[in-house]
Amino acid sequence: ETGVTQSPTHLIKTRGQQVTLRCSSQSGHNTVSWYQQALGQGPQFIFQYYREEENGRGNFPPRFSGLQFPNYSSELNVNALELDDSALYLCASSQQRGNTGELFFGEGSRLTVL
Amino acid sequence: GIQVEQSPPDLILQEGANSTLRCNFSDSVNNLQWFHQNPWGQLINLFYIPSGTKQNGRLSATTVATERYSLLYISSSQTTDSGVYFCAVSLLSGNTPLVFGKGTRLSVIA
Repeated sequence: ETGVTQSPTHLIKTRGQQVTLRCSSQSGHNTVSWYQQALGQGPQFIFQYYREEENGRGNFPPRFSGLQFPNYSSELNVNALELDDSALYLCASSQQRGNTGELFFGEGSRLTVL
Repeated sequence: GIQVEQSPPDLILQEGANSTLRCNFSDSVNNLQWFHQNPWGQLINLFYIPSGTKQNGRLSATTVATERYSLLYISSSQTTDSGVYFCAVSLLSGNTPLVFGKGTRLSVIA
């Protein structure tokens, strides 16, 4: 069984640029959630996708957007990068819509904005 | 929104010692998970435990949903247990995301 995989693992961008992060969900999982973890903090919910549709969003501005594909993989896009966007971005997948089921996380993409 | 409080924030243990980490939450939940975040940032699932007691080797967890707390027990700690332990919950009502506490940073020294 393949776990949740994320790419790239590390990347460096400059302020104002755009970034795309990718996530492949665990086999059999149709729900993907994205989280942002700043240094020294717990992960914060960005949004969730269920069968290609957004299914809940946290307190993040519209320049954070996402997609889910028919194979349930997902992308997180961030436009007009700001210094405070520097963080570890975590993707999680689960078998159930919402958050009643167990979530499994990938290794994360560490973004540095200069 | 739901509040999740973890204690203690930091813990230093001698190898071989036992410890108890606590997670208090402010509302009824339908999901509670404990994670260990390794030094590379990955969140490793420890327990999915909205209620009851589970054990996995040296680790065990208990959630008392009616009293809104969960405990994670680590016995005979090893240096590889070092890292940050997170509790995360989602509300019983509504389509709410998994909300994380601030974590307990555990350091096990040889």
